[in-house]
Amino acid sequence: QVQLQESGPGLVKPSQTLSLTCTVSGGSISSGDYYWSWIRQPPGKGLEWIGYIYYSGSTYYNPSLKSRVTISVDTSKNQFSLKLSSVTAADTAVYYCARGGGELGWWFDPWGQGTLVTVSS
Amino acid sequence: QSALTQPASVSGSPGQSITISCTGTSSDVGGYNYVSWYQQHPGKAPKLMIYDVSNRPSGVSNRFSGSKSGNTASLTISGLQAEDEADYYCSSYTSSSTLEVFGGGTKLTVL
Repeated sequence: QVQLQESGPGLVKPSQTLSLTCTVSGGSISSGDYYWSWIRQPPGKGLEWIGYIYYSGSTYYNPSLKSRVTISVDTSKNQFSLKLSSVTAADTAVYYCARGGGELGWWFDPWGQGTLVTVSS
Repeated sequence: QSALTQPASVSGSPGQSITISCTGTSSDVGGYNYVSWYQQHPGKAPKLMIYDVSNRPSGVSNRFSGSKSGNTASLTISGLQAEDEADYYCSSYTSSSTLEVFGGGTKLTVL
């Protein structure tokens, strides 16, 4: 059964770049059967889809974040990654990686456990 | 403000049924059969409960069901159990450039 695990720094300074990696186990990103997404949730608030990537490297980003987001994939490591530049306190959130999104399935399952990233000096 | 509108809270007693609504527009909920529902317990990741309006993933109790009428989707939980107490989020594909939108979430309290 597929499992996802986020990793990366829990504290990022304002104006710097947030970097997270999602490691997929129990299945291959390269199978091409799914897209792979990042989703975030500010403390006490709702969910926001950030964007997705396909194993080929094709991406799509939420327009509200597009100018600051880069999602990449490393099929050799079965990982995909998120970079969010010029962060502010408003980017403080639990960041989740998930399988899904995109025309192969507009749903997300499973999700990683999530990682809290705090933006603070 | 979320793109999809959900009630902030609903409640019910054990054994009862409750329904959570998710209202959008013809550009999302009403225009496509791509509505999904997620259950989130405190401090945990969301869990997919319903996809494509009314389909249940393997392992999800048949007490959970989904439907749609016009621009409003609904999640019904029958035979409420204490373990159902959680936050529930709907999401939908949208023809806008955002592609995927979520509701603001509904807190379910089992009395």
